[in-house]
Amino acid sequence: AQSVAQPEDQVNVAEGNPLTVKCTYSVSGNPYLFWYVQYPNRGLQFLLKYITGDNLVKGSYGFEAEFNKSQTSFHLKKPSALVSDSALYFCAVRDWGSQGNLIFGKGTKLSVKP
Amino acid sequence: NAGVTQTPKFRVLKTGQSMTLLCAQDMNHEYMYWYRQDPGMGLRLIHYSVGEGTTAKGEVPDGYNVSRLKKQNFLLGLESAAPSQTSVYFCASSHTPRGDRTYEQYFGPGTRLTVT
Repeated sequence: AQSVAQPEDQVNVAEGNPLTVKCTYSVSGNPYLFWYVQYPNRGLQFLLKYITGDNLVKGSYGFEAEFNKSQTSFHLKKPSALVSDSALYFCAVRDWGSQGNLIFGKGTKLSVKP
Repeated sequence: NAGVTQTPKFRVLKTGQSMTLLCAQDMNHEYMYWYRQDPGMGLRLIHYSVGEGTTAKGEVPDGYNVSRLKKQNFLLGLESAAPSQTSVYFCASSHTPRGDRTYEQYFGPGTRLTVT
């Protein structure tokens, strides 16, 4: 069965510092991976995805993610955090067993303090 | 271009009451989804649809029914609401995944439902 794990419920970062939100995956086929962000009282917004190609994927709002096949990880990163980055972040993987649905992790709350 | 819209935004039901949540999208997407979001549980798929007139069960379908009579609309029904269905419900849509082509899902703003 496919799954993703986000090992941290919350990540705290000071503004201007680099941030990392962790995600590991388990899939039976090719790992198609996604990151979404949810701001308070809003729906999820797509940030970036990895399908194939370069292991470093660039997305919206200055975020990037690094695909690491040997460690089965897809960590979300940003070189310099902003207070406005504070939100809930979800990692997701394509479910090859169900017509391409996504399986979401439980989410990581990112808090960026001034 | 409104994207994905959901009505209502908030609702309070008593146990045993019924209601329908409406999702509409104007992006001509084939696929539509209903999720529920609970604290510490992430998003769990309730039902989904791969096209007009078709629906399928997701991870947590019990207690819910859906219909996709028109391509742009996807309705989620609760026939007899229970307190365990208190949650935030999100609708999403996407283009059809084809082979190696996987498309991102677009989400609505959510419906906050409380069942007392």
